[in-house]
Amino acid sequence: AQRVTQPEKLLSVFKGAPVELKCNYSYSGSPELFWYVQYSRQRLQLLLRHISRESIKGFTADLNKGETSFHLKKPFAQEEDSAMYYCALPLGQNFVFGPGTRLSVLP
Amino acid sequence: DAGVTQSPTHLIKTRGQQVTLRCSPISGHKSVSWYQQVLGQGPQFIFQYYEKEERGRGNFPDRFSARQFPNYSSELNVNALLLGDSALYLCASSLAGQGAYEQYFGPGTRLTVT
Repeated sequence: AQRVTQPEKLLSVFKGAPVELKCNYSYSGSPELFWYVQYSRQRLQLLLRHISRESIKGFTADLNKGETSFHLKKPFAQEEDSAMYYCALPLGQNFVFGPGTRLSVLP
Repeated sequence: DAGVTQSPTHLIKTRGQQVTLRCSPISGHKSVSWYQQVLGQGPQFIFQYYEKEERGRGNFPDRFSARQFPNYSSELNVNALLLGDSALYLCASSLAGQGAYEQYFGPGTRLTVT
């Protein structure tokens, strides 16, 4: 089955520490992957997509086809990064989201 | 632009009843998608509509139906409600198909079935 997994439900790091949110996918083709974020009391919004190769709010994500991963990284976490993060994979007209990882950045 | 809007914000229904949820996309967006998000899980795709036609359907029973109007707004209908239908229902709009374009999400409608 084609799917997206995020092995960590909760990830806690201290402010200034590096952070890596893991995402693995199962897809037989060239995927286009996204990271969506939901801050407290806000709606779900796009953080970044691999095709654009941008760095948004200091976050980057590299597609590793060999490991079928699209991990989200930031070298120095900030308290305002605390949020729910979802990895997502469009499949035709469908859009498959992972279960999400809650990032908590501690002061 | 207020972004994607959804109504109502929340509602409570009884098992067996029917419910209609509404979504207005961002001006200029022609595609609307619906998702169900159960507590503790990621959003699950229900439907996508583009130019008033159904373009995609997730793994949901026929009790779930939707439509898109000429102004691109959309309704999601759920018949014969079950307790398991309790969830946050999200609507997202995009310029066109999902794969190529960013989706913009609404705040959601919280449905509680008792």
